[in-house]
Amino acid sequence: DIQMTQSPSSLSASVGDRVTITCQASQDIGNFLNWYQQKPGKAPKLLIYDASDLEAGVPSRFSGSGSGTDFTFSISSLQPEDIATYYCQQYDNLPLTFGGGTKVEIK
Amino acid sequence: QVQLQESGPGLVKASGTLSLTCGVSGGSINGYYWNWIRQPPGKGLEWIGYIYNSGITKYNPSLKSRVTISLDTSKKQFSLKLSSVTAADTAVYFCARGGIVVVTAIPPNFDIWGQGTMVAVSS
Repeated sequence: DIQMTQSPSSLSASVGDRVTITCQASQDIGNFLNWYQQKPGKAPKLLIYDASDLEAGVPSRFSGSGSGTDFTFSISSLQPEDIATYYCQQYDNLPLTFGGGTKVEIK
Repeated sequence: QVQLQESGPGLVKASGTLSLTCGVSGGSINGYYWNWIRQPPGKGLEWIGYIYNSGITKYNPSLKSRVTISLDTSKKQFSLKLSSVTAADTAVYFCARGGIVVVTAIPPNFDIWGQGTMVAVSS
């Protein structure tokens, strides 16, 4: 299985801050990586696909980059509605696997 | 727009079989990957498996011996059965669409999700 390691596991930032989350794959996955946002009690929502492409309707303050084994997810200006847990997910090979999640809170 | 809705018992006895169904509305069931994903309380996401094209399935090896996913295109629904459940199977179970079927047989993303249903395993 491909292991996905996210860091940090949680972070606290102020409204307007830039937030960055990293995701490392245990092997080269090219750009076969997605990012999801999950708010408490809700299903995850696809934000970024193919490592850097923004899903339709997702605000442009969200972005993703990277390839191979190292990936980054950013929120350029944190908003109160961005409070959630964020997950990376690889689709280079089965079984499909997710990172452990990063919980984002407001300071 | 496409919507998914899970249904099934919220409580299953240990050693029994967990059975859930996901109804698909607002779009076609053909030509897409249909997945089950679960999330234990306070933990991360685990992909269980998928089905497409009236019966082609792939399962997570960690659950493969206990999982069956089936598809009923006439009813526009797909189902999950997980046998020999234990407390470790207590989780929120999500159904999710995995994008258009591609030659690699690997869903490119999970673009539409059901709201999820909590299933507890009792002793």
